[in-house]
Amino acid sequence: GQNIDQPTEMTATEGAIVQINCTYQTSGFNGLFWYQQHAGEAPTFLSYNVLDGLEEKGRFSSFLSRSKGYSYLLLKELQMKDSASYLCAVRRWAGGGNKLTFGTGTQLKVEL
Amino acid sequence: EAGVTQFPSHSVIEKGQTVTLRCDPISGHDNLYWYRRVMGKEIKFLLHFVKESKQDESGMPNNRFLAERTGGTYSTLKVQPAELEDSGVYFCASSQDQNSDNTGELFFGEGSRLTVL
Repeated sequence: GQNIDQPTEMTATEGAIVQINCTYQTSGFNGLFWYQQHAGEAPTFLSYNVLDGLEEKGRFSSFLSRSKGYSYLLLKELQMKDSASYLCAVRRWAGGGNKLTFGTGTQLKVEL
Repeated sequence: EAGVTQFPSHSVIEKGQTVTLRCDPISGHDNLYWYRRVMGKEIKFLLHFVKESKQDESGMPNNRFLAERTGGTYSTLKVQPAELEDSGVYFCASSQDQNSDNTGELFFGEGSRLTVL
């Protein structure tokens, strides 16, 4: 089976940096995604890692270590609008197709 | 370009009734997925269409759930008869195939919130 763990909640200060960790166990690994979801809205794609290392996209960076089953999402220069749920999702190749499995999400609260 | 659209945004029905949810994927996306989030739990996979064919329906809870994608365009998810535990948010997502130019990320709709009383 699969298991994806991430913290339930985190709080950070506007302008600061926050790191959201995600650990996973899976077979047929075919990429790790981070999504952002504001309450009542659609999850939106933030980043994608399939090889080890760091991917940077503006204020957001994501890191992957496949051997450790570990990823993190780094948010810099936090803004109030970054308050949202951050979903770690692992894609695996199974049954002739790709399947995305989600963690429970990390609710980030950005404070003044 | 229009995103993934879902209808209705919210449905309240009584136990035993039938509800049909609709999803219109992004034009040109062959892959269409249904997911569900029950209160306090993670978003869980229900099934995956490639064009009009069911690629993987291993996440469908039971035979009260029926998904269709006639013609390979929009999809419907019918729950009949609905039970209390079916309450949750049903998300639809679509994607292009993963290849050297495309990560194949999923684009999600805003979800259909189903409340069964």
